[in-house]
Parts: sequence; structure tokens; C-alpha cells
Amino acid sequence: DTGVSQDPRHKITKRGQNVTFRCDPISEHNRLYWYRQTLGQGPEFLTYFQNEAQLEKSRLLSDRFSAERPKGSFSTLEIQRTEQGDSAMYLCASSFAQPDNEKLFFGSGTQLSVL
Amino acid sequence: AQSVTQLGSHVSVSEGALVLLRCNYSSSVPPYLFWYVQYPNQGLQLLLKYTSAATLVKGINGFEAEFKKSETSFHLTKPSAHMSDAAEYFCAVMRGYSGAGSYQLTFGKGTKLSVIP
Repeated sequence: DTGVSQDPRHKITKRGQNVTFRCDPISEHNRLYWYRQTLGQGPEFLTYFQNEAQLEKSRLLSDRFSAERPKGSFSTLEIQRTEQGDSAMYLCASSFAQPDNEKLFFGSGTQLSVL
Repeated sequence: AQSVTQLGSHVSVSEGALVLLRCNYSSSVPPYLFWYVQYPNQGLQLLLKYTSAATLVKGINGFEAEFKKSETSFHLTKPSAHMSDAAEYFCAVMRGYSGAGSYQLTFGKGTKLSVIP
């Protein structure tokens, strides 16, 4: 299967710990997105990359959050000093940039629980 | 700023009945509109999208949606519900493909569809 892959699927951590998630996009896709989804809500945009450049960041992305895409392929999302409010599903999506015809493919997400 | 409102967090229909999931949008510029479906423990899958071409958009699995500017609506319909349609459906709006805020999807809160046999 060559879909968007996210690892781990589930992460349980204690408040104050750091966590890192990984996303492997579809290989030929040059755009990569991170979204966060909490219970009963739709996904909320966090940030996106075109190749290795981080082009947009939401104000939801506090300074405890950092995302990288060092070689324009896989991406990591790190949360430092986790808080209970960080508990959510973190979704990654990728696409091939085509004006007016872009299609995002989403991964299955990483479910984070902060105790 | 863009936003979407999905009316009804939970909709139940009988198998074979019409499916109608409501979405109203707010956008300061001509919007791009999308419907996504999410099955349990899976990522979101694009059903269909409107990008200023035909106002009636046909998607996968027999779904379609009509863009009505006068009503700021983009409701999702399917003539006959199937058990496999049971899932959560999200409407989303995007500002566009250029400029600040481009390529960012703003999602509604979702509507969970149940199909009764």
C-alpha cells in the first residue's frame, strides 16, 4: 500500500513529557499537511510544507510544537512538555500541488492521550 | 475568514432512503468546498469537491452536492442509502490556491450518518 503512513497509531504519555510523531507521505507528493482533530470536532489545520519548506503555521501551533520535513519526504511533529489539552488525533495529509485540482490524501492518524 | 456549519451532528436514515447532509459556508472570497468521509479508525477520504466549475458536483459512491451561492450552501445528497454509507461526514472550505491562507482546509464539526436496516 502506498498511502500516507503515520506512526505510531496510538501514544499514551504523561503530562510534561515530549512526544514525536512521524508521517510518511505518498512518495511523489510535494505537499504535506498536519491537522489536529479533537473529539466531536472537525480537523483543524496546524501547518503545511511544500517540499522541505514550512510555508504556513496556524496560531494553534504554540511554541511547544515543532514540525520538520528535512529532506522533503517524511515529516515529524514534536510536542514538548505535553499538556492534557494536547490529547487529540493528529492527522497527516499529503498532495501533489496542482492549482484548482489538488487532492489531499489523509493518513489514519496518531491518537495522543496525555495523562 | 472561512467557516462551515454542518446542521445536525447525527443523522439517521433507513436503508434505501434519501441521504441529505447539510452544510452552510461563510467565506470572504469565492470558496472551494469539499466533502470528506471518515470511517472508524481511518483517515479522511475525499468524496467530492467544488472549485468554481459546475455547481452540481458528482463524487464517489453515488454522492453528489450542489453549490448554491444565494443560500451559501453545499449540501451532500445520495438518492438511496446503503449500509456501507454509515460513517462521519465532514464539509470543508478552502480559501484558494494562492496567497496567505491558501491550501488550508477549514472543516465543520462533522455529521455522523447511521443507516438503519
